[in-house]
Amino acid sequence: SAVISQKPSRDICQRGTSLTIQCQVDSQVTMMFWYRQQPGQSLTLIATANQGSEATYESGFVIDKFPISRPNLTFSTLTVSNMSPEDSSIYLCSSWVTGGRTDTQYFGPGTRLTVL
Amino acid sequence: AQSVAQPEDQVNVAEGNPLTVKCTYSVSGNPYLFWYVQYPNRGLQFLLKYITGDNLVKGSYGFEAEFNKSQTSFHLKKPSALVSDSALYFCAVRDVSGGSYIPTFGRGTSLIVHP
Repeated sequence: SAVISQKPSRDICQRGTSLTIQCQVDSQVTMMFWYRQQPGQSLTLIATANQGSEATYESGFVIDKFPISRPNLTFSTLTVSNMSPEDSSIYLCSSWVTGGRTDTQYFGPGTRLTVL
Repeated sequence: AQSVAQPEDQVNVAEGNPLTVKCTYSVSGNPYLFWYVQYPNRGLQFLLKYITGDNLVKGSYGFEAEFNKSQTSFHLKKPSALVSDSALYFCAVRDVSGGSYIPTFGRGTSLIVHP
């Protein structure tokens, strides 16, 4: 299994500012993912972050708006840039723990972002 | 291609009664299937998964799910519901033969257990 922590757990930000969310995994993982979840909705994948390579963004998400860092096998950051109220959401960090029958995706507790 | 459907937005059940949360899937190859639970203001917690082997999978908190290949379903069940089981439940599928580690999540089912 993997234990994933995120900081901050929540924040209230002003329009036009940026927020960086940190994600720490308690073991080395190759694949990390960032999701967005609107209230009461399902998960939308923002990007996949593999160590040593550029993040891969899903349709509708761009690096200028959501820059991602992956400096090592246990850590990643997601920045939400030039925020608007539409960015208010829960942002979830996730990683896959692989190895045959142990293949499982684990999630952090989420960062609840409110943009005023 | 892979997809998953959770046909019910909400399931209501009385405490002590059995509960079922439905999930159906579609994949080109063989499926990896997962259930997650999300309590209010929390992240997703892994409940159980099916990769291969026994069709009946047992997971955390007394939950179990049955993989039915002919019906392409993976319904989540619990024999006796607790009020504390009230949460949002997500089913997810990943096509094993697809080579991608990106699963598809259902839209979620809100389970409400009444005292």
